[in-house]
Amino acid sequence: EAGVTQFPSHSVIEKGQTVTLRCDPISGHDNLYWYRRVMGKEIKFLLHFVKESKQDESGMPNNRFLAERTGGTYSTLKVQPAELEDSGVYFCASSQDRGQRFSGNTIYFGEGSWLTVV
Amino acid sequence: EDQVTQSPEALRLQEGESSSLNCSYTVSGLRGLFWYRQDPGKGPEFLFTLYSAGEEKEKERLKATLTKKESFLHITAPKPEDSATYLCAVQARVSDSGYALNFGKGTSLLVTP
Repeated sequence: EAGVTQFPSHSVIEKGQTVTLRCDPISGHDNLYWYRRVMGKEIKFLLHFVKESKQDESGMPNNRFLAERTGGTYSTLKVQPAELEDSGVYFCASSQDRGQRFSGNTIYFGEGSWLTVV
Repeated sequence: EDQVTQSPEALRLQEGESSSLNCSYTVSGLRGLFWYRQDPGKGPEFLFTLYSAGEEKEKERLKATLTKKESFLHITAPKPEDSATYLCAVQARVSDSGYALNFGKGTSLLVTP
């Protein structure tokens, strides 16, 4: 079974440019999450999709970030325009279960997209 | 606000030298505490979930325990292949019906032969 796939694995862009990150969750997983780790900080939640709907986007840093999940399959996270502080690793994760007490072992992480803004 | 603090930030052990990693947490109603392992250039890999004080889980040389304020990840007779960053996270409510993981910064473990 294929795991969570992220593309690109690495990206270097100039300040002011646009970057789009893609995540393909595990097939059949309704829940898709985006997380981010910036240098020296902990991994932080960005947003959560249930199928194609945004369940929560309280972790999105500002309106330069736009996430979509058309059709409830893959998701994209666009940063426009990119700033230096956006550099970091963007992780996508997916899970099948959702409820009052979900299990961490149902959340599978991708290998991350490493973004460097120069 | 939910907080997760891990210590030490880095730990160097000799092969066979047992030790423990600490994860202190502050959360309004623990719904789950999770341990992940992360290798360089990879995503977090799930290890354990603990839900209530007194609970313990084991996997090979790793054992996770939980109290009302902290969790320990005990590593018994570690091997070089146990070298990785170990992440602790608590389940936090982010919306009326949604939950997400709130991570600590991790402990970077290096086991030398």
